[in-house]
Amino acid sequence: DVKVTQSSRYLVKRTGEKVFLECVQDMDHENMFWYRQDPGLGLRLIYFSYDVKMKEKGDIPEGYSVSREKKERFSLILESASTNQTSMYLCASSWGSLEEKLFFGSGTQLSVL
Amino acid sequence: GENVEQHPSTLSVQEGDSAVIKCTYSDSASNYFPWYKQELGKRPQLIIDIRSNVGEKKDQRIAVTLNKTAKHFSLHITETQPEDSAVYFCAARDSSYKLIFGSGTRLLVRP
Repeated sequence: DVKVTQSSRYLVKRTGEKVFLECVQDMDHENMFWYRQDPGLGLRLIYFSYDVKMKEKGDIPEGYSVSREKKERFSLILESASTNQTSMYLCASSWGSLEEKLFFGSGTQLSVL
Repeated sequence: GENVEQHPSTLSVQEGDSAVIKCTYSDSASNYFPWYKQELGKRPQLIIDIRSNVGEKKDQRIAVTLNKTAKHFSLHITETQPEDSAVYFCAARDSSYKLIFGSGTRLLVRP
């Protein structure tokens, strides 16, 4: 079974803190993604990566950055957390472009106070 | 970029009835359209997908239809059961290979 693991299920941070969300996949997937999920807005793509050290902006990259130093790990960084970044964050991975099925992690519910 | 609209936002049906969820997309170059199901408190999981060279695809009680001319696709669930209750998301892969999701439909199947 493919496993996509997110380091924290719940996280509470203060405004202005630097926040790291970690995601690890164990299936040698090429592609990794970060989405945020908000009620009524669906899943919105923040950043994605098709290869190690490669990153592409999604639809809502402002206030976020990412790091992919190793193939299995994709980190989402909130440089200075703000209250409007309170959300559920979902990591996902997939094989190369010929296999598009996304495997999601269980999510991190981030609250910024 | 691609924009995906999904309707309705909520849907309540009697057990055994059919449910239909519709999505429209804007990028005519989009070529891959998956549907994900997210049960309460769980991660989204792929339930069915369709590519732009196919008009319809079925898998037991679920089916997806695609109308490329009108740029819309639909999920059909027949003989609904209580375990079909979940949030369903449609998505479209655009010309830059990004997967763009709709806003979701909360389906409730009443026993």
